[in-house]
Amino acid sequence: EVQLVQSGAEVKKAGESLKISCKGSGYSFTSYWIGWVRQMPGKGLEWMGLIYSRDSDTRYSPSFQGQVTISVDKSISTAYLHWSSLKASDTAMYYCARRGTTSYYFDYWGQGTLVTVSS
Amino acid sequence: SFELTQPPSVSVSPGQTASITCSGDKLGDRYACWYQQRPGQSPVLVIYQDSERPSGIPERFSGSNSGNTATLTISGTQAMDEADYYCQAWDSSTYVVFGGGTKLTVL
Repeated sequence: EVQLVQSGAEVKKAGESLKISCKGSGYSFTSYWIGWVRQMPGKGLEWMGLIYSRDSDTRYSPSFQGQVTISVDKSISTAYLHWSSLKASDTAMYYCARRGTTSYYFDYWGQGTLVTVSS
Repeated sequence: SFELTQPPSVSVSPGQTASITCSGDKLGDRYACWYQQRPGQSPVLVIYQDSERPSGIPERFSGSNSGNTATLTISGTQAMDEADYYCQAWDSSTYVVFGGGTKLTVL
């Protein structure tokens, strides 16, 4: 069974750093891209970026380029989303998702990580 | 930049057919997909590559894509189909684009 299991909820202060994780199992991790998606409270889905698990080739949405860093540790089948300096506006639910093999769609999603940043 | 536009809300009576549209410039020239998101849950892929259904998705969900509009159709809508629905497509410069979402109400 394909699973993406994300790290738990985080409560941080503005200016702090944070790295959240997404561990894949039940499939060949290095054969797929992993994407990150933001959902602010009461709002829609926003694509942040994609990383190819085999070679760490990364693509960012122009809206998030320079704001976050996406990485992967294929030895433990885990992708990461990192902030060096959080802002209150980063408060949101963050999802990781596996990109399908034949096109740009996401066929499996993690359970989400809620990040709350206080100012 | 490439954008996808959805109606904010759609209402349907139980057992009837719901249609949710997604508009974008020459959207029919690229693949579209659809996600269902129930309150408090992660999104679920219900249609990919315009009209393909993933394993486990009921046959009442179907999709089409032509011209500037992709459409998600739910036949025989059930109360459990009440959710937010998002379209998504690929763009050569921004890679992944989501529509703003449509709240489907079954009443």
